[in-house]
Amino acid sequence: ILNVEQSPQSLHVQEGDSTNFTCSFPSSNFYALHWYRWETAKSPEALFVMTLNGDEKKKGRISATLNTKEGYSYLYIKGSQPEDSATYLCAGFDNFNKFYFGSGTKLNVKP
Amino acid sequence: GAVVSQHPSRVICKSGTSVKIECRSLDFQATTMFWYRQFPKQSLMLMATSNEGSKATYEQGVEKDKFLINHASLTLSTLTVTSAHPEDSSFYICSATARGPSYEQYFGPGTRLTVT
Repeated sequence: ILNVEQSPQSLHVQEGDSTNFTCSFPSSNFYALHWYRWETAKSPEALFVMTLNGDEKKKGRISATLNTKEGYSYLYIKGSQPEDSATYLCAGFDNFNKFYFGSGTKLNVKP
Repeated sequence: GAVVSQHPSRVICKSGTSVKIECRSLDFQATTMFWYRQFPKQSLMLMATSNEGSKATYEQGVEKDKFLINHASLTLSTLTVTSAHPEDSSFYICSATARGPSYEQYFGPGTRLTVT
């Protein structure tokens, strides 16, 4: 079992602030890490899939890094906008083809 | 991007009845589909993984006779909650992938099941 933890549970920022949150997982049996963005009343949307230690991926103002040796991934949002308000989920995929989701970080960006 | 639909979005049923939830990949062939359940204020819990044409793989603690999963085609998987009880009330969501579990998943919008 891959115990995936996310912090913080929730985050309130002002429009224009940059923010980041953490996903931690045990480094043994790790295969891949996924980040999803889940807006209310919509389907979770894939942001990034990362597998290699040191991976960095970027999509617009959102980027993510992966450290498989120490077992964490960071998600960064630069210049947060109200439309970034959502729950951000990470999921660890292990060597036994199992997915484990963290409980999510709920981001609220105030205009 | 790829689209996954789920039907129904909400269903209320009586105790003892069965409910079927459909998950469809609309514009791609899904080699693997996943079924999740979300308890209030908790994360998504993987219930089972299904590959087209083969039996679903259930996670520990998930009763296969209670939650019947059928993945009859590359675009459709169904979850049937048999003899539903109030404790089965939950949010059920499916996801699908075309290239295997280590690639991004495309999620349906979910189904809110209430058993009275």
